[in-house]
Amino acid sequence: QVQLVQSGAEVKKPGASVKVSCKASGYTFTDYYIHWVRQAPGQGLEWMGWINPNSGGTNYAQKFQGRVTMTRDTSITTSYMELSRLRSDDTAVYYCARGGSMTPADYWGQGTLVTVSS
Amino acid sequence: DIQMTQSPSSLSASVGDRVTITCQASQDITNYLNWYQQKPGKAPKLLIYDASNLKTGVPSRFSGSGSGTDFSFTITSLQPEDIATYYCQQYDNLPQTFGQGTKVEVK
Repeated sequence: QVQLVQSGAEVKKPGASVKVSCKASGYTFTDYYIHWVRQAPGQGLEWMGWINPNSGGTNYAQKFQGRVTMTRDTSITTSYMELSRLRSDDTAVYYCARGGSMTPADYWGQGTLVTVSS
Repeated sequence: DIQMTQSPSSLSASVGDRVTITCQASQDITNYLNWYQQKPGKAPKLLIYDASNLKTGVPSRFSGSGSGTDFSFTITSLQPEDIATYYCQQYDNLPQTFGQGTKVEVK
């Protein structure tokens, strides 16, 4: 069965970086994009961008341009999302999800809580 | 960015009631509209894609309709396990954007 398993919770100081991993299994990793979506405490969902695991191509939301980097390692079917220059308002649960450029995100990881606090 | 306006922000209904949520896009998104269910502490779950297609395995009491800028999501007979927040999402244009969510409670 399709599974996306994310890395564990992180606590970071303002200005630091965080790298969240998303291990995919149960399907051909390079056949689907990986999207990253975040959710601040008590708030709605915010799309951050996607990576095409086949080509490594990425598309980031303008809001995160310059601070986010999405990568993948096809040998271990894992995607990564790194967010730099963290601020307190980056505190959120970060989700990875399987989808396409024009198809919905149909399977999601369990989420990774990133807390930014001094 | 395309703005997705979802209403109501919350509702309370009885078991067996028909529940409808609406979502309006700030510009034409054809039918590139998904509906997700999110229970507390859990990841969102895709229910409806391309405005009206039910994902395999999702109960038939859930349905979606609409095209262009106006969409709706319906639960024909609300069940206790349907307590959740529901989000619409457009994926016609990047960045993909979500509605603000509708919290559904059972009376």
